[in-house]
Amino acid sequence: DIQMTQSPSALSASVGDRITITCQASQDIGNYLNWYQQKPGKAPKLLIYDASNLEAGVPSRFSGRGSGTLYTFTINSLHPEDIATYYCQQYDSLPYTFGQGAKLEIK
Amino acid sequence: EVQLVESGGGLVQPGRSLRLSCSASGFTFGEYAMSWFRQAPGKGLEWVAFIRSKFYGGTIDYAASVKGRFIISRDDSKSIANLQMDSLEIEDTAVYYCAVNYKCYFDFWGQGTLVTVSS
Repeated sequence: DIQMTQSPSALSASVGDRITITCQASQDIGNYLNWYQQKPGKAPKLLIYDASNLEAGVPSRFSGRGSGTLYTFTINSLHPEDIATYYCQQYDSLPYTFGQGAKLEIK
Repeated sequence: EVQLVESGGGLVQPGRSLRLSCSASGFTFGEYAMSWFRQAPGKGLEWVAFIRSKFYGGTIDYAASVKGRFIISRDDSKSIANLQMDSLEIEDTAVYYCAVNYKCYFDFWGQGTLVTVSS
């Protein structure tokens, strides 16, 4: 199985800050990576697919990049409504595995 | 508008069975692959099962943790995906989500249904 290691697991930032979350895959996943936002009691919401493509309707302050085994997710100019847990997920090969999540709090 | 609605969750004793359903609307259900995911209380996300469209053979895959106990199926005439869960274990307690590969992998999710396995 491909292991997905996310860091940090929790972070605190101020409104307007830029934050970055990293996802390291245990092997090359060829950009087959999604980033999700999950708010408490809600289903995950797809933000980024194929590592860097912004899902329709998602604000442009969210972005993703990377290749091979290392991927990053960035929120530029943090908004209060961005409080959530963020997950990466690879779909290069079965089983489709997730990072452990990064819980974002606002200072 | 793509919509997925899960149902069938509830409280069940260990060793018993439960059948979840995912009712889809807003797209031609039979043309798309469907998946089930789950999330144990306070934990992360886990992929559970995947069924391809009949165009791609309708083939199925399972996570090792449920293989041999869970069965995913689809009824394209009713736009429903099912997850038959047998020999349930306490560790199967989770919110179960269905998702569709619409324009890309897992781009639309249902709201989830809670399964609690407890004696």
